[in-house]
Amino acid sequence: DAMVIQNPRYQVTQFGKPVTLSCSQTLNHNVMYWYQQKSSQAPKLLFHYYDKDFNNEADTPDNFQSRRPNTSFCFLDIRSPGLGDAAMYLCATSRRRGDEQYFGPGTRLTVT
Amino acid sequence: SQQGEEDPQALSIQEGENATMNCSYKTSINNLQWYRQNSGRGLVHLILIRSNEREKHSGRLRVTLDTSKKSSSLLITASRAADTASYFCATVQNNAGNMLTFGGGTRLMVKP
Repeated sequence: DAMVIQNPRYQVTQFGKPVTLSCSQTLNHNVMYWYQQKSSQAPKLLFHYYDKDFNNEADTPDNFQSRRPNTSFCFLDIRSPGLGDAAMYLCATSRRRGDEQYFGPGTRLTVT
Repeated sequence: SQQGEEDPQALSIQEGENATMNCSYKTSINNLQWYRQNSGRGLVHLILIRSNEREKHSGRLRVTLDTSKKSSSLLITASRAADTASYFCATVQNNAGNMLTFGGGTRLMVKP
């Protein structure tokens, strides 16, 4: 089945230790998104790719970076995780901007 | 900033009853979307309604949109325990690069 896959589902990292979260899709969608969601809050968009074109939200900290080496894969790099970065990270895709989005199951990040 | 505000924040009903959730927004939109999120999981797209549409149905779901009042509602009829989840509205604004902006969500509990 076509889908959005995120690995790992749970990630524990130490304060300040770089961590990478991965996302892959079999939908062949042009747009891939990364959201941060903290407990009982709405998802907050960090950035998105339209094909290879990277678009950062204005309030996304520099600590967060992303790579999209090909259509199928997108990575979220957190260079120096702080305790405040503990959250659920959601990857999503859509055919075009503004279309319905397809979400992965999320990666729950814990920072110790 | 949060474009949509949802009401109520939490709703508890008995199985078989109808559940109504409301969403208000501030600026003109291209479309409005509703998503469901089960605890600890990714979001699932439910319905997309365009700014020139007033009502859409999908199974037991009915969505209305009133652009003059900048509001939408999601009705779930004959609710089931499996409908227990958080429900988010998200708007695609005319002047925000076609990105989704999520409301705070309604936590629905359906008691068996």
